[in-house]
Amino acid sequence: EVQLVESGGLLVQPGGSLRLSCVASGFTFSTYWMSWVRQAPGKGLEWVANIKVDGSEKAYVDSVKGRFTISRDNAKNSLYLQMNSLRAEDTAVYYCARRGWQFDYWGQGTLVTVSS
Amino acid sequence: QSALTQPPSASGSPGQSVTISCTGTSRDVGSYNYVSWYQQHPGKAPTVMIYEVNKRPSGVPDRFSGSKSGNTASLTVSGLQAEDEADYYCSSYAGSNIVIFGGGTKLTVL
Repeated sequence: EVQLVESGGLLVQPGGSLRLSCVASGFTFSTYWMSWVRQAPGKGLEWVANIKVDGSEKAYVDSVKGRFTISRDNAKNSLYLQMNSLRAEDTAVYYCARRGWQFDYWGQGTLVTVSS
Repeated sequence: QSALTQPPSASGSPGQSVTISCTGTSRDVGSYNYVSWYQQHPGKAPTVMIYEVNKRPSGVPDRFSGSKSGNTASLTVSGLQAEDEADYYCSSYAGSNIVIFGGGTKLTVL
């Protein structure tokens, strides 16, 4: 059974940093692109970033370029999102999703709140 | 990276059919057959209902179907059931590994 379990969501002050993690199981993690998708409270889905199987290609939505970094550790079946210079508008549930642009499995999400 | 356009709401009675549109541009929906549709119930993670415009993952009822014409994709739900009431989102590949979502449509089963 495919499982994606996110962690790391917290209340953080504007300008702060946070690292989200996603541990995958039930499939060969190293053979799939992976993505982060977020959803602000009461709002729609927004793709944030994706990463190629070996980490050699990464893409980001314009609003997070230069502030967020996606990475992966295939030996640990783990996906990460390093979030710097956080803003109030980054407040959202962050989902880890399998594949790069058609997401067939999703985690349950982790809530990031940016507020003073 | 502009969002795809979906109607905010749609509705139908049990047993009826409803179609939700998703309008993009020639740079996304019009150029790639990587349109997906996701269902999201309140407080839950999204689940994929349609991928590659019209393909259904195993376990998704054949009441759900997808299509595309030009820059507009559509999701049709036939034989509406109470459990179909949810938010629906479309997404499209937009080149250079970029993905764009629609704003979402709240489907109400009357």
